[in-house]
Amino acid sequence: AQSVTQLGSHVSVSEGALVLLRCNYSSSVPPYLFWYVQYPNQGLQLLLKYTTGATLVKGINGFEAEFKKSETSFHLTKPSAHMSDAAEYFCAVSRWTGNQFYFGTGTSLTVIP
Amino acid sequence: EAGVTQFPSHSVIEKGQTVTLRCDPISGHDNLYWYRRVMGKEIKFLLHFVKESKQDESGMPNNRFLAERTGGTYSTLKVQPAELEDSGVYFCASSLSWGPEETQYFGPGTRLLVL
Repeated sequence: AQSVTQLGSHVSVSEGALVLLRCNYSSSVPPYLFWYVQYPNQGLQLLLKYTTGATLVKGINGFEAEFKKSETSFHLTKPSAHMSDAAEYFCAVSRWTGNQFYFGTGTSLTVIP
Repeated sequence: EAGVTQFPSHSVIEKGQTVTLRCDPISGHDNLYWYRRVMGKEIKFLLHFVKESKQDESGMPNNRFLAERTGGTYSTLKVQPAELEDSGVYFCASSLSWGPEETQYFGPGTRLLVL
């Protein structure tokens, strides 16, 4: 069975500080990996995804994530947090044996002025 | 281009009542998915339509849940009769193609509270 672990249900950072949101997955085969963001009263919006190729993936709003197969991780980073980054972030994986997404429990990011 | 829309945004019902949620996917998207998030837990897959056919309904919790997609356009998810544990946020998503690498576009969700 697939599982996705997001360490830290709540993360707080100061404005301008590094954002690091952790995601680890369990999979016997390389998965496809996604990060979504949900702003209040909005749907989930794709930030970035990894399918194949370069393991460092750049997304919207200055976010990026690196697929590390040896660590089964896909952590999300942003060098400098902005107030507008305050939202809930979800890591998700999918595989060829079924195209449903398996989500982590989400991480709520607070940015402190 | 309009995104995925869901109606209603919120619904409060009593145990034993019926509720119907609606999802309108992005125009031209043949693939439509339903997910649910129970408070504090992960978003979980319910089912997947390709056009009007149910491709995968392995996530449907029990036979109190009925999903339809007549004509391959909008979809409805009916809960009858509702139980307390059905409370949560129901998300709909759509995608143009079918495959694990395909981006799924999500709606804002319907927040269901069963009292």
